[in-house]
Amino acid sequence: AQSVSQHNHHVILSEAASLELGCNYSYGGTVNLFWYVQYPGQHLQLLLKYFSGDPLVKGIKGFEAEFIKSKFSFNLRKPSVQWSDTAEYFCAVMNYGGSQGNLIFGKGTKLSVKP
Amino acid sequence: EAGVTQFPSHSVIEKGQTVTLRCDPISGHDNLYWYRRVMGKEIKFLLHFVKESKQDESGMPNNRFLAERTGGTYSTLKVQPAELEDSGVYFCASSQEWGSLYFGPGTRLTVT
Repeated sequence: AQSVSQHNHHVILSEAASLELGCNYSYGGTVNLFWYVQYPGQHLQLLLKYFSGDPLVKGIKGFEAEFIKSKFSFNLRKPSVQWSDTAEYFCAVMNYGGSQGNLIFGKGTKLSVKP
Repeated sequence: EAGVTQFPSHSVIEKGQTVTLRCDPISGHDNLYWYRRVMGKEIKFLLHFVKESKQDESGMPNNRFLAERTGGTYSTLKVQPAELEDSGVYFCASSQEWGSLYFGPGTRLTVT
């Protein structure tokens, strides 16, 4: 069965530190990749997505992710975090050609940014 | 534009009772999805409607769960009878464009 692995359950950083959240997936075919974020008390919202083309994807709020096919990875990065980035981050995969919306999520990584 | 809304935000019921969750998608979105997150676990797909038809219900855990989407607008998810393991947060999402899901705030269901 397909799965998504997020390496860290909880990450604590100080403001201005750089962030990298790991995500690996287990599926050998073509995939579409997503990062979602849930800020405290808010809805899940899409940060960025990769369908094809340039494997370095830029999203909202200064986030970016790099798709490395040979490593089955889609790590999320931000060069300098802010207190407002405190949230839970979810990596998700959808099979290309699969049921639209059948996202497979990782367990999530909670990010706490200290002011 | 109003987002995806869900009602109630929180429900506490006893084992064996029935609960109905409601989701109102973004107006005009043909695709509606239900997901669930049990505490400490991943968010898992339950099912997908296209308008009023079930496109994919492969994630529904068992026949105690019944989802409907009357007239292709709002959707309900009924759990009858509820069991302890049904506790979790139930998310609804909708989309029009492929791959761009908009999620609701979720309904937290607690079965005691």
